Parts: sequence; C-alpha cells; structure tokens
Amino acid sequence: EPEVTQTPSHQVTQMGQEVILRCVPISNHLYFYWYRQILGQKVEFLVSFYNNEISEKSEIFDDQFSVERPDGSNFTLKIRSTKLEDSAMYFCASTLNTNEKLFFGSGTQLSVL
Amino acid sequence: GEDVEQSLFLSVREGDSSVINCTYTDSSSTYLYWYKQEPGAGLQLLTYIFSNMDMKQDQRLTVLLNKKDKHLSLRIADTQTGDSAIYFCAEIVYSGNTPLVFGKGTRLSVIA
Repeated sequence: EPEVTQTPSHQVTQMGQEVILRCVPISNHLYFYWYRQILGQKVEFLVSFYNNEISEKSEIFDDQFSVERPDGSNFTLKIRSTKLEDSAMYFCASTLNTNEKLFFGSGTQLSVL
Repeated sequence: GEDVEQSLFLSVREGDSSVINCTYTDSSSTYLYWYKQEPGAGLQLLTYIFSNMDMKQDQRLTVLLNKKDKHLSLRIADTQTGDSAIYFCAEIVYSGNTPLVFGKGTRLSVIA
C-alpha cells in the first residue's frame, strides 16, 4: 500500500535555529497537510496546501512557519526560529480529495533544547 | 467551532470487548474516523464511517454512529495485548479544505 514518508524521524535542535521537516506524500495525492501533537495533547491542525498554495492555516501557524512543495514529490515544513514550545511530533498527511481519508506519515519528533 | 471529545483512559482484560466512545459537535460532518497510534509511531487509519451510515463492521472492529446524539463508538471484539494504543476519533466536514479535527485520544490498556 502506498504510504506517506517523513524524514527525519527525530530532530534535535537548539532554540532559535531553523529546522526543515520533510515529507513525501503519496504520489497522486493533491492535498497536503501538517499536523502536530505536543506530548499528551491533541493532534492539532497546522496548515493545508493545495495547488501550490496554502489553502487554510490555524492560529498556530504564525510567521515563523512556512511550507513549500519545491518539486513534484516533497512537501516541507520550515520553522524559521524554533522555540521550546515547538517541541512536538509533527505529522504530514495527504489525500486525493478533501472528503476522503487522510493518510498520515509516521511523524517527525522535534525536540527544541 | 468543531470539537471532538473522548474519555482519556480505558482498561480491559485480554479477550474482552473494548468500547471507545466519542462525541462530536459538527452535525455536518461527512466522515468520522478512528485512528490508532502505537507508542512512538504515527497515526494509522483503523476505520471510518460515512455520515449516512449507522454501523460499519470490519473484522474485529465495529463502528456505531448515532447522528442524533452526535455519538460515535468503536468496539474491538476479543481485545488483544497488541491493541494497546491510543485511539483517536476524528471528524471531517465536507467544506473545501477543512481539516480533520481530532479528539484527545483514548489510551487503551489491555491486561493479560
């Protein structure tokens, strides 16, 4: 079965540093998402992306965050200057249509020290 | 806005049935999902139900949907130790790129 892949599985960074989390969505999917899960809390929506632009974002997704689909296969989340509270598991997801099931990657655990 | 509520913990004995409950607020939800998250792993789609259905069965899993009460449940028959995980209820509304909204998750512990 096709799957969404994310790299790296773990990322440790110093506060204030930039990080890029990478995702390869399922190849024929058109809608892409980032979610995050702070330890012990809900899975929270960050941003959705379609047709090479952000279609919706949450209030968490401030100016420190950006997303990009630099080529036909990768979908990246950049955090410009990381804060301690950015420590979380970040999940990428993709789907073919918005009213169909989302396929999630296994996540990147980001630890900001 | 949309909200999804679940109880946080459930403990059952191996071989018994588990029932995980969820309530949601958005009556226009089209799909409702159950995801499973094992320790250190990603979100695995277990099953889903379309809003015009009342029940869906998939091997050991039974999903019941009560649209009037906005209540969703997941029943796992013959629960095994490998079923120990966090189970997330999630809803999606058919509206452009509206995101999936998750509950906090129910931690299922299976006692041998």
